[in-house]
Amino acid sequence: KQEVTQIPAALSVPEGENLVLNCSFTDSAIYNLQWFRQDPGKGLTSLLLIQSSQREQTSGRLNASLDKSSGRSTLYIAASQPGDSATYLCAVRPDSWGKLQFGAGTQVVVTP
Amino acid sequence: DGGITQSPKYLFRKEGQNVTLSCEQNLNHDAMYWYRQDPGQGLRLIYYSQIVNDFQKGDIAEGYSVSREKKESFPLTVTSAQKNPTAFYLCASLDFSAGATGELFFGEGSRLTVL
Repeated sequence: KQEVTQIPAALSVPEGENLVLNCSFTDSAIYNLQWFRQDPGKGLTSLLLIQSSQREQTSGRLNASLDKSSGRSTLYIAASQPGDSATYLCAVRPDSWGKLQFGAGTQVVVTP
Repeated sequence: DGGITQSPKYLFRKEGQNVTLSCEQNLNHDAMYWYRQDPGQGLRLIYYSQIVNDFQKGDIAEGYSVSREKKESFPLTVTSAQKNPTAFYLCASLDFSAGATGELFFGEGSRLTVL
């Protein structure tokens, strides 16, 4: 069974510092991997989707990489801002019809 | 704008009562999902549906029921058989059509509290 792990569970950085968030998965046979952001009491907002054939995806200050052989994805957020404070979750889909497996998330606080 | 609408946002229930959470999407997505989120835990799948009039149990279906009579609607009923229903419930949808990215979209969630 696919297991998805996000370490650390919580992270605090000063404003302006780059954020590095990790996502590990046990089965390298994946269809895609998706990163989400969740604000307190809100739903999940999709940030980036990486297909299994891709190595990275970029959107503005966000960059996500994927290394299937090592079972890892990393989300980089450049020049962090207090508005980046949220919980970030990754999710792995095993095949085109499969159910996503979620990590427990990393709670990020960016201090002014 | 296209999206997923969940209602109500907050719901209080007395023990022994059934409650129904609404989920409507206008994205024309085939698949819809219900997740439960508890503090400190990842999302857990309750039920999912890949096509109208068909649905499957997820990892924690006991005490819940769903229906999928229309493509755009996937209501979740939390029954009195669910022993610990206080949680945050999230509805999601996915486009399985050819050429779709496979990106999952979520609603804003419904928080259920049992009094």
